Amino acid sequence: GENVEQHPSTLSVQEGDSAVIKCTYSDSASNYFPWYKQELGKRPQLIIDIRSNVGEKKDQRIAVTLNKTAKHFSLHITETQPEDSAVYFCAASRYAGGTSYGKLTFGQGTILTVHP
Amino acid sequence: SQTIHQWPATLVQPVGSPLSLECTVEGTSNPNLYWYRQAAGRGLQLLFYSVGIGQISSEVPQNLSASRPQDRQFILSSKKLLLSDSGFYLCAWSVRTVLQYFGPGTRLTVL
Repeated sequence: GENVEQHPSTLSVQEGDSAVIKCTYSDSASNYFPWYKQELGKRPQLIIDIRSNVGEKKDQRIAVTLNKTAKHFSLHITETQPEDSAVYFCAASRYAGGTSYGKLTFGQGTILTVHP
Repeated sequence: SQTIHQWPATLVQPVGSPLSLECTVEGTSNPNLYWYRQAAGRGLQLLFYSVGIGQISSEVPQNLSASRPQDRQFILSSKKLLLSDSGFYLCAWSVRTVLQYFGPGTRLTVL
């Protein structure tokens, strides 16, 4: 089955700096890679996702890059703010589309702390 | 719009007691439903998923079970709780896509 490794486990940055979280996956057939943000005591919320036919995707201060050859993908947050502090999870899935079931395999999470 | 509910929000149970957590989804039909457990605020472990009424797949063997008596209802149960069952239980749903949306969660403490 799929295995997703996420690094670092904790990340501390100063407000305004950039933060990068990296994930590697094992199943070369995986084709969908979402990122979730989880604030303390709350549910994970999808913040950005990327499919295997795209190398990079941006949404304001957040971007995700994918390297299919190396089987790794990364989350980039620029101009970090204290409200970006949370646990971030990457995930990978082999999804066939339509009504098929696509299991998400999650990384272990990164605790991001942004200091004012 | 779609909404997912979970209850109770928090639960404190003694070791050996039974458990029943409920999840319901509104605003959609025939969703895929999932139960996850999160220990110590880290790592989402998939416990069960269901693609339809009465169809349950288990990811991890343990003393928990799941049932789906109705299209938009998913129940997580245990006959006898263990200390190791403590955690944050999250229900999630998806429809015709792998993108999953999580419910608010139930925080279970087993003493």
